[in-house]
Amino acid sequence: GQNIDQPTEMTATEGAIVQINCTYQTSGFNGLFWYQQHAGEAPTFLSYNVLDGLEEKGRFSSFLSRSKGYSYLLLKELQMKDSASYLCAVRPMNSGGYQKVTFGTGTKLQVIP
Amino acid sequence: NAGVTQTPKFRVLKTGQSMTLLCAQDMNHEYMYWYRQDPGMGLRLIHYSVGEGTTAKGEVPDGYNVSRLKKQNFLLGLESAAPSQTSVYFCASSLQGVNAKNIQYFGAGTRLSVL
Repeated sequence: GQNIDQPTEMTATEGAIVQINCTYQTSGFNGLFWYQQHAGEAPTFLSYNVLDGLEEKGRFSSFLSRSKGYSYLLLKELQMKDSASYLCAVRPMNSGGYQKVTFGTGTKLQVIP
Repeated sequence: NAGVTQTPKFRVLKTGQSMTLLCAQDMNHEYMYWYRQDPGMGLRLIHYSVGEGTTAKGEVPDGYNVSRLKKQNFLLGLESAAPSQTSVYFCASSLQGVNAKNIQYFGAGTRLSVL
């Protein structure tokens, strides 16, 4: 199975940079997702990492280290609208059939003026 | 683009009542899922489907049934609702394939209260 750990809550200042960490233990690994979920809304896809390294997409970047079972989501130039929960999710490797994605409990980020 | 549509958005049930949650997607996705989201628990997979006419159990299937009679629709049924089923329910869909990223697209959610 998979075990995913991420901080419950974080607070950061508008205009600053914040890093949200995610660690995972899994019997097999095929990729890691980050989703954003505003309060009362549906999760929306942010990024997907398969290989080690940093992937940048505008103000958001996601990093993966497969050997360490570790990922982070980096948000730059924080805006008030970035206040949301950020969900880390792991896609396992399997030998066939559907690969069930497991979601972490999410990190609630509050951006303050 | 409608994407994934869930109905109803809100519902209040009494213990023992039954209901069906409807999910429709217009992206021609093979895979569809039902999750429930509870505070501190994250998204937990109830049932999923890898194609029309097929369904499978997820992490927390007890008390729920599903059907996928048409590719675009995935129905979640509660036969006899219990207070423990008070939750927010999300439907999602994704493309199939081993090499597909399996990015999931979510509906807006159904907020269910069981009294």
